[in-house]
Amino acid sequence: AQKVTQAQTEISVVEKEDVTLDCVYETRDTTYYLFWYKQPPSGELVFLIRRNSFDEQNEISGRYSWNFQKSTSSFNFTITASQVVDSAVYFCALSASNTDKLIFGTGTRLQVFP
Amino acid sequence: SQTIHQWPATLVQPVGSPLSLECTVEGTSNPNLYWYRQAAGRGLQLLFYSVGIGQISSEVPQNLSASRPQDRQFILSSKKLLLSDSGFYLCAWSVRERDTQYFGPGTRLTVL
Repeated sequence: AQKVTQAQTEISVVEKEDVTLDCVYETRDTTYYLFWYKQPPSGELVFLIRRNSFDEQNEISGRYSWNFQKSTSSFNFTITASQVVDSAVYFCALSASNTDKLIFGTGTRLQVFP
Repeated sequence: SQTIHQWPATLVQPVGSPLSLECTVEGTSNPNLYWYRQAAGRGLQLLFYSVGIGQISSEVPQNLSASRPQDRQFILSSKKLLLSDSGFYLCAWSVRERDTQYFGPGTRLTVL
């Protein structure tokens, strides 16, 4: 069975702090894809990153970085020097089993205070 | 570039009334299309997906149905709304299977 767990329901930080959002996934497939989406208060889901199971290289995009570790089935997301505009709900998702279906975690609400 | 539209943005409907939500995609051909629902404070649940005109796959048995009358149009319907149908409905598209899904702005539905 496929499953995504985001154990952190809500995180609060002060601006300029670094913050890491955890994502743990379960799948028996060898080929799968992992995603992170951001949902600001407006509601629209904004795509952040897609990573396939054969590429364990960590990725950095500006203040965002992602740490993919197959050994621990984790795909964690770090925001460096957080800003108020980073306040949103962040979802981790998994696509596996040769299907188009995205399995979402329950999301982590990040609040960044000035 | 590709854009995805949903309307209406918000909707308040009485129990037992019909529903029609529309989603259209511009700037691409033969996209895969998806309907998701997000209940208050919860994650996203896939309701339907379509790989082509007239082709609909249902993920969850429910009070809703979907149709794809045109290549880039996806419609979510109900004949009689239930209170439990309240939520945030998101449409998404992708180029092909297992590709990145891009989401529309969503429709917030309240059933009273």
